[in-house]
Amino acid sequence: AQSVTQLDSHVSVSEGTPVLLRCNYSSSYSPSLFWYVQHPNKGLQLLLKYTSAATLVKGINGFEAEFKKSETSFHLTKPSALMSDADEYFCVVIDPGTASKLTFGTGTRLQVTL
Amino acid sequence: DAGVIQSPRHEVTEMGQEVTLRCKPISGHDYLFWYRQTMMRGLELLIYFNNNVPIDDSGMPEDRFSAKMPNASFSTLKIQPSEPRDSAVYFCASSSHGRVKYEQYFGPGTRLTVT
Repeated sequence: AQSVTQLDSHVSVSEGTPVLLRCNYSSSYSPSLFWYVQHPNKGLQLLLKYTSAATLVKGINGFEAEFKKSETSFHLTKPSALMSDADEYFCVVIDPGTASKLTFGTGTRLQVTL
Repeated sequence: DAGVIQSPRHEVTEMGQEVTLRCKPISGHDYLFWYRQTMMRGLELLIYFNNNVPIDDSGMPEDRFSAKMPNASFSTLKIQPSEPRDSAVYFCASSSHGRVKYEQYFGPGTRLTVT
């Protein structure tokens, strides 16, 4: 079975400083991994996805993530945080058998302060 | 495109009442998913359809929950009878494996409160 573990439930950074949201995965297969962002009172939006191509994946809004098989990690980063980045972020793995069923991590709430 | 549309956005009902949540997927998408989000359990997949056919309903919590997709542009999730522990945000999502594989587009959700 596939699973993801988000190591921090809350992360607080100052505006203009780097963002690091951590995610470890567990998978019997080569996984496909995603990061989604949830805006308050809205649905989820795909930030980026890794599907066994380049290990460094660039997404929207300046975010990127690096797939590291040796560390079973898929951390989300951004060089410089904006106030508008304050949201909840979910690391997600997809079931390779169905290519449809998503398993979500518990989420990391990002706070950005002035 | 209008995106995935869900209605109602908010629903407050009394225990024992029937609740119906509605979803209109993005036109041309052949997969539709229902998720539930709670503080205790996070985001969980309840059921998903492919070409209007239910493929996996193993996430449906119990027989009080049922979902249908009578055509490619409409799906319902029904709870009968509702209970306070059903209070959650219910999301619908759709995707098309023929286009951008894996990416699911989520609706804004329905916040259900059962008193």
